[in-house]
Amino acid sequence: DAGVIQSPRHEVTEMGQEVTLRCKPISGHNSLFWYRQTMMRGLELLIYFNNNVPIDDSGMPEDRFSAKMPNASFSTLKIQPSEPRDSAVYFCASSVLAGAIGELFFGEGSRLTVL
Amino acid sequence: AQTVTQSQPEMSVQEAETVTLSCTYDTSESDYYLFWYKQPPSRQMILVIRQEAYKQQNATENRFSVNFQKAAKSFSLKISDSQLGDAAMYFCAYRSYNQGGKLIFGQGTELSVKP
Repeated sequence: DAGVIQSPRHEVTEMGQEVTLRCKPISGHNSLFWYRQTMMRGLELLIYFNNNVPIDDSGMPEDRFSAKMPNASFSTLKIQPSEPRDSAVYFCASSVLAGAIGELFFGEGSRLTVL
Repeated sequence: AQTVTQSQPEMSVQEAETVTLSCTYDTSESDYYLFWYKQPPSRQMILVIRQEAYKQQNATENRFSVNFQKAAKSFSLKISDSQLGDAAMYFCAYRSYNQGGKLIFGQGTELSVKP
């Protein structure tokens, strides 16, 4: 079974440009998470969805960041306009809402570089 | 709010030896999950081991085992017979048992394995 699929793997862009990161969760999972990883701040939760509904977006740094989950098999994280300090690895993860598993399954991450 | 603390930014172990990585957490909840994730240079987040708080028995996965002390809120990871492939960043993480809980990470411990 395919894992969490993220695209692009790498993105290099210039300051001010719009960036869209994409995620396809594991089929049957109904929770989806966006994390950001930097050397300075470690792994930060940006936002998560349950059953396609945003539950907690308190980690979204600014209005420049937005996330959507139009259906159970797709989510996007958009940064507009991008800034150099947004450079990081962005991870998407999915899990089941309840049950004995509890773990999050991560994608391979999208490395974003903003020049 | 729950917090996870890893007090060892770096650890080193000789190949075939045993090493223990420390993790403490703070929570007022009684039901939760604890995890250790491994992040090799490929940056993929890989689940190493999982512990449900209601289980008194310490989890074991091959060469990996945990020492779970619920009263002390401690969750250490022991790696036996260390291998070169164990070199990675290791993250301790907490997740509430309640539906849709987010995963809260510690700062990470970078483990190096010397041949």
